[in-house]
Formats: sequence, C-alpha cells, structure tokens
Amino acid sequence: DAGVIQSPRHEVTEMGQEVTLRCKPISGHDYLFWYRQTMMRGLELLIYFNNNVPIDDSGMPEDRFSAKMPNASFSTLKIQPSEPRDSAVYFCASSLGPGPWETQYFGPGTRLLVL
Amino acid sequence: KNEVEQSPQNLTAQEGEFITINCSYSVGISALHWLQQHPGGGIVSLFMLSSGKKKHGRLIATINIQEKHSSLHITASHPRDSAVYICAATGNQFYFGTGTSLTVIP
Repeated sequence: DAGVIQSPRHEVTEMGQEVTLRCKPISGHDYLFWYRQTMMRGLELLIYFNNNVPIDDSGMPEDRFSAKMPNASFSTLKIQPSEPRDSAVYFCASSLGPGPWETQYFGPGTRLLVL
Repeated sequence: KNEVEQSPQNLTAQEGEFITINCSYSVGISALHWLQQHPGGGIVSLFMLSSGKKKHGRLIATINIQEKHSSLHITASHPRDSAVYICAATGNQFYFGTGTSLTVIP
C-alpha cells in the first residue's frame, strides 16, 4: 500500500481565497483524522471520521473550516475564506480501528501558507 | 495547565548514550502514543500502549497507569534518532504533548 496520500504537498494562497486539502487514507482503514500543526500550538486534532461519518469535530476552529468524507477512499478539508493565521502544516492520518485510539498512519502533510 | 506534559523540551546527547523522554498526563485515557517527527516533517507512530512495556529495536516505551506516566527510552542512541518525539494521550478526546526535540551528536 502507498500509505496515506495527501495533496497538494505545498499550497500558497492569498487571504480570502478558498483552500481545499485532499487525503486518501490507507485502504481498509475505518478511521480518518485531520490534524493541524503550528509552532505556537503544536499538533491539534481538528476532526475525525469513522466509516465516513464525522464523529468529533470539536477541534475545528471555526465555521470557515469544513471537512467531508464522501467515500471510504477520499476526504477533503476546506478553508473558506482563508486567513494568514491558518498557515500551518495539515496532516491527514488513518487507522484500522476498532477504536480511534489505535495506531495511526500519517500522511506527509500539506504545508499551507496564507499571505 | 496542559493535559499532557513532556520533559525535557530539548535534549542533546552524544552518540551511544541512553536517552529517556518523559510524559505525564492528567486525564483518563484509552491509550498512550509515542510519535516521531523527523526534520523533514513526516510523522511516524512509534508505539501505542495502554499498559506495561513495548520494545521495538532500540526503542522501549513504558507506561504506569496508576502514576499516569509514560517514558520513551532509546538505547545506544544514533544521530538518525534526531527528531521531535511527541506524546499523545487518547480517550474520549485527543491530547498532545508539545514534543521533545532530540539531537544526537556523532
């Protein structure tokens, strides 16, 4: 398996633009996680899905952020409109389960810079 | 107060030294994870444990549930072990330590 795939790897955009980050989990994994990492706040869980259903989105910072998982092999994290403070590395991870606390496999991350 | 505290924040060691990184947590958990983040940014899950001890190569992770404490040990450290090590506690919520930056000097 290719592991967790994220795209794009780097994104530079201007404030106010819409940003869409994409993730393909490892085939057969039931859980998918979106994280954000910044120097100031470290690693933070934004949202996670189980069998394509959002389970906990309490980490999503505000309404400008939304995440979807239309099928078992694809998820998106969208920021609209983007702001400079959204600049961070966004990681997607997946795990087999049976619970969200099992070993997670991380994608390479998307480095987002909002100017 | 952070739910997960790691120490030390930064650690420099000579190649071959035995290294210990500590993690204390204040919440109920289902599992404790140790993650490794390389200078290039990629994150790898090293261990997931809920009791006892696990060993993988030169890495050993232990957890004491009663004391709410976990340690990550590296034996015979090597420059390629240089990375940030992150402790994460998972239960109803996810809590992350701020990481320990390890540099192993040849």
